[in-house]
Amino acid sequence: QKEVEQNSGPLSVPEGAIASLNCTYSDRVSQSFFWYRQYSGKSPELIMSIYSNGDKEDGRFTAQLNKASQYVSLLIRDSQPSDSATYLCAVISGSARQLTFGSGTQLTVLP
Amino acid sequence: DGGITQSPKYLFRKEGQNVTLSCEQNLNHDAMYWYRQDPGQGLRLIYYSQIVNDFQKGDIAEGYSVSREKKESFPLTVTSAQKNPTAFYLCASRWGDSGYNEQFFGPGTRLTVL
Repeated sequence: QKEVEQNSGPLSVPEGAIASLNCTYSDRVSQSFFWYRQYSGKSPELIMSIYSNGDKEDGRFTAQLNKASQYVSLLIRDSQPSDSATYLCAVISGSARQLTFGSGTQLTVLP
Repeated sequence: DGGITQSPKYLFRKEGQNVTLSCEQNLNHDAMYWYRQDPGQGLRLIYYSQIVNDFQKGDIAEGYSVSREKKESFPLTVTSAQKNPTAFYLCASRWGDSGYNEQFFGPGTRLTVL
């Protein structure tokens, strides 16, 4: 059973702070890792993808991947109230290229 | 505009009825997926299709059926055999067969059983 685990939260941070979201996965051969943002009542929106160990930065977002520890994280710098959403970690593994999702972390950025 | 469309946005079903959810994409994506999301939970895979006229069961296929007669279309039928169909249904698509290709989602259909 391939699993993706996230802290369910909720996570609250003040505006301007760094929000740190964490995800672990069980399948060692997983090859692709994604972070989706989902606003209440809306569909998930892809915000970051990462495929190799290390950091990947895109604006205020940084994804970090450590395959040895089977750990992927998302940092949001200078958090804004508009970042308040549920963040879903997703992992691709296996020949079918299926995405396995974590249950999501609900983030609230307090003004 | 390129994208993935789902219809209807809201759907109400009486118990014992079959209903069909539409998913269309004009992104020329090869693979298409159906997920179900229950409140406070992640997405669970119902069915997926990597090529026309072929599809595979996901983790929770019981009570659902699909077809893939055209590359652009992947409709999902929720049958009366699905015991608890009230949920948010999301269609997604992806280009190519590489594990490096991102999946993109349609806006979703919210199904409620009356």
